[in-house]
Amino acid sequence: DAGVIQSPRHEVTEMGQEVTLRCKPISGHNSLFWYRQTMMRGLELLIYFNNNVPIDDSGMPEDRFSAKMPNASFSTLKIQPSEPRDSAVYFCASSGPFEAFFGQGTRLTVV
Amino acid sequence: GESVGLHLPTLSVQEGDNSIINCAYSNSASDYFIWYKQESGKGPQFIIDIRSNMDKRQGQRVTVLLNKTVKHLSLQIAATQPGDSAVYLCAEKGGADGLTFGKGTHLIIQP
Repeated sequence: DAGVIQSPRHEVTEMGQEVTLRCKPISGHNSLFWYRQTMMRGLELLIYFNNNVPIDDSGMPEDRFSAKMPNASFSTLKIQPSEPRDSAVYFCASSGPFEAFFGQGTRLTVV
Repeated sequence: GESVGLHLPTLSVQEGDNSIINCAYSNSASDYFIWYKQESGKGPQFIIDIRSNMDKRQGQRVTVLLNKTVKHLSLQIAATQPGDSAVYLCAEKGGADGLTFGKGTHLIIQP
């Protein structure tokens, strides 16, 4: 298995634009997590899905953020409209019953 | 002006020495704990885990200790090598909840 795959690896966008981050979890894993990592706040859980259903989205900062998981092999995190304070590294992780495996992250810069 | 940001604790050890990284967790209901290693520009990588019914678990050159009484987790790395330089993150999990991460400790291995 290639592990958790995220795309793009880097994204630079202008304030106000829509940004979509993508994630392909490890096959067979039934939980998927979106995290955001910044120097200010460290690694924060934004939302997680269990069997494609959002379980806890209390970490999603604002209505500008939305996440979907239309099937077991794909998830998106969308920011619309994007703001400079959204600049961070966004990680997707998937897990079975135990440890989570992380993708390489998407470094988002909003200018 | 004053700089702001996440000032990670830093542990500096000589190559070949043992290192101990500590973590205090917050949720007494957490029943599963993981240590991750994060190298620059990469996603966190699983090192070792421990369930709450154990107080010690050993891997290759690493040992995790769990003290549930004081909600403390530690990671011991034996005979440190230059490749051990990274940020080490502890994570806790309760039931079906997502992982909650600590801020991390930056381990520096000096030659």
